[in-house]
Amino acid sequence: DSGVTQTPKHLITATGQRVTLRCSPRSGDLSVYWYQQSLDQGLQFLIQYYNGEERAKGNILERFSAQQFPDLHSELNLSSLELGDSALYFCASSFPTDGASGNTIYFGEGSWLTVV
Amino acid sequence: LAKTTQPISMDSYEGQEVNITCSHNNIATNDYITWYQQFPSQGPRFIIQGYKTKVTNEVASLFIPADRKSSTLSLPRVSLSDTAVYYCLVAILDSSYKLIFGSGTRLLVRP
Repeated sequence: DSGVTQTPKHLITATGQRVTLRCSPRSGDLSVYWYQQSLDQGLQFLIQYYNGEERAKGNILERFSAQQFPDLHSELNLSSLELGDSALYFCASSFPTDGASGNTIYFGEGSWLTVV
Repeated sequence: LAKTTQPISMDSYEGQEVNITCSHNNIATNDYITWYQQFPSQGPRFIIQGYKTKVTNEVASLFIPADRKSSTLSLPRVSLSDTAVYYCLVAILDSSYKLIFGSGTRLLVRP
């Protein structure tokens, strides 16, 4: 158990709909990362938040948005869903390093999204 | 962020030692090298991390040459359960860094 909690674990929805995926980071972690992984594909970095602020953005579609709340949990909002959005969405968290040592990011078990 | 290059796939047999090499020619001074393991439909899991020379834990060893432009993950005596995708990640984890994973190496362990 990594300590990162994602809900829901599975979600089936229709094209055109909107869904929200939720992530609770490990206790004390300030950074949250979102990744998308389609079937048999690699991990695509979507976006990162640090202590409530967006810090880095990857290949995230305009239909997708995210936020991190004061309690540090994060939500990934996916709208106008298309069949191609079907994927496993991972959240990860980390505590920022002071630069003098390495760090590790911890992944949740993912949210399976199926768009039909 | 240093780009990484790994073999797409590797085959091995139970009981053998497996070495997976990752190239990261543009590694920066403050970058650390971290390896993750991912089973199908699961989140990646931390295996080992290092900065230079050699690091060993109960699961694996990580060898990093002096120039740090590559690293080798060594899995001793693999078993069928080690069949997974292994990712090499080179980064320093501060508050504003994109963590972009490479394609990973798909390891298949045969009986």
